[in-house]
Amino acid sequence: ELKVEQNPLFLSMQEGKNYTIYCNYSTTSDRLYWYRQDPGKSLESLFVLLSNGAVKQEGRLMASLDTKARLSTLHITAAVHDLSATYFCAVEQSQGNLIFGKGTKLSVKP
Amino acid sequence: GAVVSQHPSRVICKSGTSVKIECRSLDFQATTMFWYRQFPKQSLMLMATSNEGSKATYEQGVEKDKFLINHASLTLSTLTVTSAHPEDSSFYICSAYGLLHRGGNTEAFFGQGTRLTVV
Repeated sequence: ELKVEQNPLFLSMQEGKNYTIYCNYSTTSDRLYWYRQDPGKSLESLFVLLSNGAVKQEGRLMASLDTKARLSTLHITAAVHDLSATYFCAVEQSQGNLIFGKGTKLSVKP
Repeated sequence: GAVVSQHPSRVICKSGTSVKIECRSLDFQATTMFWYRQFPKQSLMLMATSNEGSKATYEQGVEKDKFLINHASLTLSTLTVTSAHPEDSSFYICSAYGLLHRGGNTEAFFGQGTRLTVV
Protein backbone atom coordinates (compact mmCIF):
# COMPACT_ATOMS: atom_id res chain seq x y z
CA GLU A 1 0.00 0.00 0.00
CA LEU A 2 1.40 3.33 -1.06
CA LYS A 3 1.84 5.81 1.76
CA VAL A 4 2.82 9.44 1.39
CA GLU A 5 4.33 11.35 4.27
CA GLN A 6 4.71 15.06 4.16
CA ASN A 7 6.49 17.28 6.64
CA PRO A 8 6.26 19.61 8.26
CA LEU A 9 2.48 19.77 8.59
CA PHE A 10 2.60 23.35 9.75
CA LEU A 11 5.14 25.95 8.80
CA SER A 12 5.27 29.52 9.96
CA MET A 13 7.80 31.59 8.10
CA GLN A 14 8.92 35.15 8.02
CA GLU A 15 8.92 36.99 4.74
CA GLY A 16 12.23 36.76 2.97
CA LYS A 17 13.24 33.44 4.49
CA ASN A 18 13.84 30.12 2.74
CA TYR A 19 12.42 26.76 3.66
CA THR A 20 11.82 23.27 2.31
CA ILE A 21 8.82 20.96 2.49
CA TYR A 22 9.54 17.25 2.24
CA CYS A 23 7.47 14.48 0.72
CA ASN A 24 8.43 10.85 1.24
CA TYR A 25 6.58 7.93 -0.27
CA SER A 26 6.72 4.23 0.40
CA THR A 27 6.62 2.42 -2.95
CA THR A 28 7.91 3.01 -6.43
CA SER A 29 6.21 5.65 -8.51
CA ASP A 30 7.33 7.61 -11.52
CA ARG A 31 5.09 10.60 -11.09
CA LEU A 32 4.66 13.10 -8.32
CA TYR A 33 2.53 16.20 -8.14
CA TRP A 34 2.63 19.32 -6.01
CA TYR A 35 -0.54 21.33 -5.45
CA ARG A 36 -1.51 24.50 -3.69
CA GLN A 37 -4.85 24.89 -1.97
CA ASP A 38 -6.27 28.17 -0.68
CA PRO A 39 -9.03 28.12 1.94
CA GLY A 40 -12.36 27.07 0.46
CA LYS A 41 -10.84 26.39 -2.93
CA SER A 42 -9.88 23.38 -4.96
CA LEU A 43 -6.35 22.37 -5.90
CA GLU A 44 -4.07 24.44 -8.07
CA SER A 45 -1.46 22.41 -9.90
CA LEU A 46 2.07 23.64 -9.26
CA PHE A 47 4.37 20.95 -10.60
CA VAL A 48 4.27 17.52 -12.18
CA LEU A 49 7.55 15.65 -11.74
CA LEU A 50 7.98 12.76 -14.09
CA SER A 51 11.44 11.33 -13.70
CA ASN A 52 14.32 10.85 -11.35
CA GLY A 53 16.29 14.03 -10.94
CA ALA A 54 13.52 16.20 -12.29
CA VAL A 55 13.69 19.79 -11.10
CA LYS A 56 11.10 22.43 -11.90
CA GLN A 57 10.92 26.04 -10.86
CA GLU A 58 8.17 28.59 -10.95
CA GLY A 59 8.78 31.92 -9.29
CA ARG A 60 9.83 31.41 -5.68
CA LEU A 61 8.98 27.70 -5.71
CA MET A 62 11.23 24.91 -6.85
CA ALA A 63 10.39 21.21 -6.77
CA SER A 64 12.65 18.22 -7.19
CA LEU A 65 12.23 14.46 -7.33
CA ASP A 66 14.56 11.65 -6.31
CA THR A 67 12.82 8.40 -7.20
CA LYS A 68 15.57 6.27 -5.74
CA ALA A 69 15.20 7.91 -2.34
CA ARG A 70 11.42 8.19 -2.86
CA LEU A 71 11.67 11.81 -1.89
CA SER A 72 10.45 15.06 -3.33
CA THR A 73 11.12 18.52 -2.01
CA LEU A 74 9.36 21.83 -2.49
CA HIS A 75 11.74 24.66 -1.78
CA ILE A 76 10.52 28.14 -1.04
CA THR A 77 12.88 31.01 -1.68
CA ALA A 78 12.46 34.44 -0.09
CA ALA A 79 8.91 33.78 1.02
CA VAL A 80 6.21 36.39 0.56
CA HIS A 81 2.80 36.61 2.19
CA ASP A 82 1.03 35.57 -1.04
CA LEU A 83 2.55 32.12 -0.69
CA SER A 84 0.49 31.44 2.43
CA ALA A 85 -1.64 28.38 1.61
CA THR A 86 -1.73 24.64 2.14
CA TYR A 87 0.62 22.64 -0.08
CA PHE A 88 0.02 19.00 -0.93
CA CYS A 89 2.21 16.46 -2.58
CA ALA A 90 0.54 13.54 -4.30
CA VAL A 91 2.05 10.38 -5.70
CA GLU A 92 0.50 8.59 -8.63
CA GLN A 93 -0.35 5.04 -7.62
CA SER A 94 -1.74 4.16 -11.03
CA GLN A 95 -2.95 6.22 -13.96
CA GLY A 96 -4.51 9.29 -12.40
CA ASN A 97 -5.02 7.59 -9.04
CA LEU A 98 -3.27 9.91 -6.60
CA ILE A 99 -2.39 9.32 -2.99
CA PHE A 100 -2.04 12.59 -1.13
CA GLY A 101 0.14 13.65 1.73
CA LYS A 102 -1.51 15.32 4.70
CA GLY A 103 -0.56 18.75 3.47
CA THR A 104 1.65 21.51 4.81
CA LYS A 105 -0.09 24.63 6.01
CA LEU A 106 2.25 27.49 5.26
CA SER A 107 1.86 30.84 6.93
CA VAL A 108 4.17 33.64 5.84
CA LYS A 109 4.29 36.57 8.20
CA PRO A 110 5.71 40.02 7.65
CA GLY B 1 -8.80 28.55 -17.82
CA ALA B 2 -10.32 25.54 -16.13
CA VAL B 3 -10.05 22.28 -18.00
CA VAL B 4 -12.33 20.41 -15.61
CA SER B 5 -15.66 21.93 -14.69
CA GLN B 6 -17.40 20.79 -11.54
CA HIS B 7 -20.93 21.87 -10.76
CA PRO B 8 -22.44 23.03 -8.47
CA SER B 9 -19.74 24.77 -6.46
CA ARG B 10 -21.96 24.96 -3.40
CA VAL B 11 -25.12 23.17 -2.43
CA ILE B 12 -27.24 23.10 0.69
CA CYS B 13 -29.79 20.33 0.96
CA LYS B 14 -32.15 18.91 3.50
CA SER B 15 -31.41 15.70 5.27
CA GLY B 16 -32.84 12.74 3.38
CA THR B 17 -32.67 14.29 -0.06
CA SER B 18 -30.26 13.44 -2.87
CA VAL B 19 -27.71 15.70 -4.50
CA LYS B 20 -26.03 15.26 -7.87
CA ILE B 21 -22.59 16.68 -8.62
CA GLU B 22 -21.28 16.87 -12.17
CA CYS B 23 -17.70 16.72 -13.35
CA ARG B 24 -16.88 17.56 -16.96
CA SER B 25 -13.60 17.53 -18.80
CA LEU B 26 -13.74 20.52 -21.11
CA ASP B 27 -10.97 20.17 -23.65
CA PHE B 28 -10.06 16.51 -23.53
CA GLN B 29 -11.52 13.07 -23.18
CA ALA B 30 -11.10 11.36 -19.84
CA THR B 31 -11.60 7.63 -19.74
CA THR B 32 -11.01 7.77 -16.01
CA MET B 33 -12.28 10.24 -13.47
CA PHE B 34 -11.81 10.22 -9.74
CA TRP B 35 -13.90 11.46 -6.84
CA TYR B 36 -12.30 12.71 -3.65
CA ARG B 37 -13.67 13.91 -0.37
CA GLN B 38 -12.01 16.43 1.90
CA PHE B 39 -13.00 17.17 5.46
CA PRO B 40 -12.00 20.50 7.03
CA LYS B 41 -8.27 20.82 7.62
CA GLN B 42 -7.63 17.36 6.24
CA SER B 43 -6.20 15.94 3.08
CA LEU B 44 -8.04 14.51 0.11
CA MET B 45 -9.28 10.96 0.38
CA LEU B 46 -10.09 8.99 -2.74
CA MET B 47 -13.67 7.75 -2.73
CA ALA B 48 -13.96 6.05 -6.07
CA THR B 49 -12.59 5.64 -9.55
CA SER B 50 -15.02 6.21 -12.37
CA ASN B 51 -14.44 4.52 -15.71
CA GLU B 52 -16.41 5.41 -18.81
CA GLY B 53 -18.87 2.70 -19.68
CA SER B 54 -18.28 0.52 -16.65
CA LYS B 55 -19.04 0.38 -12.96
CA ALA B 56 -17.10 2.57 -10.61
CA THR B 57 -14.52 1.13 -8.27
CA TYR B 58 -15.03 2.22 -4.69
CA GLU B 59 -12.41 2.53 -1.99
CA GLN B 60 -12.75 0.53 1.17
CA GLY B 61 -15.30 2.03 3.52
CA VAL B 62 -17.15 4.02 0.86
CA GLU B 63 -20.77 2.93 0.45
CA LYS B 64 -21.50 2.45 -3.21
CA ASP B 65 -25.25 2.59 -2.68
CA LYS B 66 -24.93 5.93 -0.97
CA PHE B 67 -22.48 7.51 -3.39
CA LEU B 68 -23.71 6.64 -6.85
CA ILE B 69 -21.28 7.27 -9.66
CA ASN B 70 -22.13 7.36 -13.32
CA HIS B 71 -19.62 7.90 -16.11
CA ALA B 72 -21.86 8.13 -19.12
CA SER B 73 -19.42 9.66 -21.58
CA LEU B 74 -15.76 10.41 -22.01
CA THR B 75 -16.29 13.91 -20.69
CA LEU B 76 -18.84 13.55 -17.90
CA SER B 77 -18.97 11.78 -14.57
CA THR B 78 -21.60 12.37 -11.91
CA LEU B 79 -21.63 11.68 -8.20
CA THR B 80 -25.02 11.42 -6.52
CA VAL B 81 -25.14 11.53 -2.75
CA THR B 82 -28.31 9.67 -1.90
CA SER B 83 -30.35 10.19 1.25
CA ALA B 84 -27.88 12.76 2.46
CA HIS B 85 -27.23 13.23 6.15
CA PRO B 86 -25.34 15.96 7.99
CA GLU B 87 -22.27 13.72 8.28
CA ASP B 88 -22.08 13.74 4.47
CA SER B 89 -21.35 17.45 4.59
CA SER B 90 -17.91 17.86 3.07
CA PHE B 91 -15.92 19.24 0.16
CA TYR B 92 -16.09 16.92 -2.85
CA ILE B 93 -13.51 17.24 -5.61
CA CYS B 94 -13.32 15.40 -8.90
CA SER B 95 -10.36 14.87 -11.17
CA ALA B 96 -10.14 13.82 -14.79
CA TYR B 97 -7.16 11.94 -16.13
CA GLY B 98 -6.19 12.65 -19.69
CA LEU B 99 -4.01 14.32 -22.27
CA LEU B 100 -4.72 17.99 -22.68
CA HIS B 101 -2.32 18.82 -25.48
CA ARG B 102 -0.58 16.62 -28.01
CA GLY B 103 3.02 16.41 -26.93
CA GLY B 104 2.09 17.20 -23.33
CA ASN B 105 1.81 14.87 -20.39
CA THR B 106 -1.14 12.77 -19.39
CA GLU B 107 -2.05 13.98 -15.96
CA ALA B 108 -4.85 14.45 -13.47
CA PHE B 109 -6.76 17.73 -13.69
CA PHE B 110 -8.96 18.81 -10.80
CA GLY B 111 -12.35 20.42 -10.74
CA GLN B 112 -13.25 23.43 -8.64
CA GLY B 113 -14.85 21.36 -5.90
CA THR B 114 -18.35 21.22 -4.44
CA ARG B 115 -19.11 22.31 -0.90
CA LEU B 116 -22.02 20.17 0.29
CA THR B 117 -23.89 21.16 3.42
CA VAL B 118 -26.68 18.91 4.64
CA VAL B 119 -29.06 20.50 7.13
